[in-house]
Amino acid sequence: AQSVTQPDIHITVSEGASLELRCNYSYGATPYLFWYVQSPGQGLQLLLKYFSGDTLVQGIKGFEAEFKRSQSSFNLRKPSVHWSDAAEYFCAAVSGKSTFGDGTTLTVKP
Amino acid sequence: NAGVTQTPKFQVLKTGQSMTLQCAQDMNHEYMSWYRQDPGMGLRLIHYSVGAGITDQGEVPNGYNVSRSTTEDFPLRLLSAAPSQTSVYFCASRTGTGERASPLHFGNGTRLTVT
Repeated sequence: AQSVTQPDIHITVSEGASLELRCNYSYGATPYLFWYVQSPGQGLQLLLKYFSGDTLVQGIKGFEAEFKRSQSSFNLRKPSVHWSDAAEYFCAAVSGKSTFGDGTTLTVKP
Repeated sequence: NAGVTQTPKFQVLKTGQSMTLQCAQDMNHEYMSWYRQDPGMGLRLIHYSVGAGITDQGEVPNGYNVSRSTTEDFPLRLLSAAPSQTSVYFCASRTGTGERASPLHFGNGTRLTVT
C-alpha cells in the first residue's frame, strides 16, 4: 500500500541550530512530494514541492529538501532554526490521491 | 480571491445527529478532498473528487458521505454522528494532474466535537 512515514513524532532543537526532518515514502513509482507546515490552530501552508529534475529543492522560509530515490526519502532541512519555526510539519505524496505522514512536531528552545 | 472556504469553524453535535460541513473553492480546481486530523495520526483522507459528479473513497470513509454537483462545492455529510468522529476536518483542493498538479490549497478547518 502507498504510504508516507515520518519517523520522528517530536523534535526539539535550539534556536540557531540546524534541522532535519525525515520523510520516507513507499510507492510503486516516485510520487510527487511536498512538505507542509501547520502552526497551532491554523491550516496547512506549502513549504516546497518536488516533481522531477533537481533533487535539491528550495522552499519558503529558508527551508530546503533533498529527494533521494535510492532511499525513498524526501528530508526537510533548514541550516538555522528560528523560534517562529516551531510548528507541526507534514510530508505528503501525491500519486492520484494525496497521502500525508503523521507529522513531526518541532519545538525550538531559546 | 477567497481560496478554500470551510464552514462552520466550530460545531458541537450530540451522538446520532446529522450535519453537513461545507467546503467551497473559487479557484476552479478540479480536485477536492476532505481530511480529518487527529493527534498523532496526521491527515487521513476521507473522500475525494476529481471533478463534478465524480467522488471516491479515501482511507477512512465510513460514516461520511459526499457529493460533487458543482466544481465549486464539496460538502461532507455526517449522517449519524459518533464520538469517534470528533476531529478537525480540512477541505483541500488542487488543479492539474502530473507535473501540472498544483499543491493542495487548504481551508482553515472545522473543529467538530461529538458528545
